[in-house]
Amino acid sequence: DAGVIQSPRHEVTEMGQEVTLRCKPISGHDYLFWYRQTMMRGLELLIYFNNNVPIDDSGMPEDRFSAKMPNASFSTLKIQPSEPRDSAVYFCASSFLSGGVGEQFFGPGTRLTVL
Amino acid sequence: AQSVTQLDSQVPVFEEAPVELRCNYSSSVSVYLFWYVQYPNQGLQLLLKYLSGSTLVKSINGFEAEFNKSQTSFHLRKPSVHISDTAEYFCAVSDGGRRALTFGSGTRLQVQP
Repeated sequence: DAGVIQSPRHEVTEMGQEVTLRCKPISGHDYLFWYRQTMMRGLELLIYFNNNVPIDDSGMPEDRFSAKMPNASFSTLKIQPSEPRDSAVYFCASSFLSGGVGEQFFGPGTRLTVL
Repeated sequence: AQSVTQLDSQVPVFEEAPVELRCNYSSSVSVYLFWYVQYPNQGLQLLLKYLSGSTLVKSINGFEAEFNKSQTSFHLRKPSVHISDTAEYFCAVSDGGRRALTFGSGTRLQVQP
């Protein structure tokens, strides 16, 4: 398996622009997670899905952030409008529920820079 | 609510020396514990995990961690480190009911020749 795939790997945009990050989970995994990593706040969970349904979005910073999972093989995280403080590395991870807790497999991340 | 505390933000160590990376957690329920490693410019990879059973768990590359319920700790150890172990290490906890992980702030292990 190719693992979790994220695109783009790097994104540089200007404040106010819309940004869309994409994720393809590992085939057969039923959980998908979006995390954000910054120096100041470390790794933060933004939202996670189970069988394409959002379960917990309490980590989404504000209304400018939205995430969708239209099918089992694709998810997007959208920021509109983007702000400089959104600059971070965004990770997608997927897992398969096994024995109650599944190992999470992380993608390589998208490094977002908002100027 | 769960939380994870990694007491050391950076740990410099010489090659072939032993190392311990500390992790303490708080949770009101039974927990599952994980150590993830992040190499530069890469995503996180699972190093080892404790779900149940033996409190001492080991990875294939020589790391081990021991779950200590009374001290709410899950410290990571390696008796002899290599240059290639230089990375950031994250401790994480899950209560099982909420599938997402709560991560610590990370410890940067710097192995020097």
